[in-house]
Amino acid sequence: NAGVMQNPRHLVRRRGQEARLRCSPMKGHSHVYWYRQLPEEGLKFMVYLQKENIIDESGMPKERFSAEFPKEGPSILRIQQVVRGDSAAYFCASSPKTGLNTEAFFGQGTRLTVV
Amino acid sequence: DQQVKQNSPSLSVQEGRISILNCDYTNSMFDYFLWYKKYPAEGPTFLISISSIKDKNEDGRFTVFLNKSAKHLSLHIVPSQPGDSAVYFCAASLQGGSEKLVFGKGMKLTVNP
Repeated sequence: NAGVMQNPRHLVRRRGQEARLRCSPMKGHSHVYWYRQLPEEGLKFMVYLQKENIIDESGMPKERFSAEFPKEGPSILRIQQVVRGDSAAYFCASSPKTGLNTEAFFGQGTRLTVV
Repeated sequence: DQQVKQNSPSLSVQEGRISILNCDYTNSMFDYFLWYKKYPAEGPTFLISISSIKDKNEDGRFTVFLNKSAKHLSLHIVPSQPGDSAVYFCAASLQGGSEKLVFGKGMKLTVNP
């Protein structure tokens, strides 16, 4: 049973370009979460999605960032017109359900570098 | 506003001894707490969790203690092994699960052979 798969592992973008980060949850998991980790910081919640629905996007920057989890295919975190401050590690996690005592399992992350 | 705090950035212990990692939180509404371990260039790996209705949970070498009145939890690893060397994150949730985790900044544990 493969774990949470994220690709690419490393992504370099020039300022102003678009970054697309992909996440395939564990088999049987329908809940996906995206987190961002800036250098020397903990992970910060960005967005929580279920298939075709955004449940909670309270951690997403208001502009340039969007996320989706289509009926078929991976979840995508999209960053338009990237700036240097977007350089970070982006982690995706998934869980089979929500509710009491449910753990989230994390992927290996995508390290975005904006040059 | 740091709701989950890991005030010590690093800890070094000898192999075989106990490692104690501490975590404080400010939001008394948190009801589920988790510890994750992270190696460089990898994602966090779930270690152990505790619900706010308990004060202790044990899994092998790992024990988590929760003191709700002090808003404090700790992770005990005994005996510590060199493979335990990693960054440990404390996380908390308002919804009893993992829907929206609030993480501390992490603590780097080094276990010396």
